[in-house]
Amino acid sequence: EVQLVESGGGLVQPGGSLRLSCVVSGFTVNSNYMNWVRQAPGQGLEWVSIIHSGGATYYPDSVKGRFTISRDNSKNTVFLQMDSLRAEDTAVYYCAREAKNSFDYWGQGILVTVSS
Amino acid sequence: DIQMTQSPSSLSASVGDRVTITCRASQSIVNYLNWYQQKPGKAPKLLIYSASNLQSGVPSRFSGSGSGTDFSLTISSLQPEDFATYYCQQSYNSPMFTFGPGTKVDLK
Repeated sequence: EVQLVESGGGLVQPGGSLRLSCVVSGFTVNSNYMNWVRQAPGQGLEWVSIIHSGGATYYPDSVKGRFTISRDNSKNTVFLQMDSLRAEDTAVYYCAREAKNSFDYWGQGILVTVSS
Repeated sequence: DIQMTQSPSSLSASVGDRVTITCRASQSIVNYLNWYQQKPGKAPKLLIYSASNLQSGVPSRFSGSGSGTDFSLTISSLQPEDFATYYCQQSYNSPMFTFGPGTKVDLK
């Protein structure tokens, strides 16, 4: 059975840092394209980052230079390091697998709140 | 950047109704268009990929069509469990994915 389980969320002050984890079971992260997608309260979905099976990473301008996606193959886990956090980064963060140019498996999501 | 729009932003329907949601891209995305369903407090669920391909396990009352810039998601006979928000997503500009703003389907 495929499972993606996020952790590491919580309350952080503006300018602070947080690292999210996504532990995967049922497939190997280093053979797949793994993504982070976020959803601000009451808002739509925003793609945040991707790590390809070959290790290449990409980000939208809204988080480029502040967020870093990585993975630990031995733990079958994907991470999102979030630095210089802003109030507008407040959202539920989901990890998701890309297959057939779509996101077929998603985690349950983890809430990140940036507030003083 | 490719912008995605959806219409309507919300709709009210009854069980058994045929429902169609449209999605438009700001440029041609060929058939690189996916549809997701999201219920409150839950993760999105993939329904349709590549414009018209039904994801495994998704009921056949869901169908997708379109190409180029204009796409649609149709629910042939709305069921109680279908009341949710639906999002389109373009993957033509992968890895720079963008989602539509969503269409909320609620009970009339």
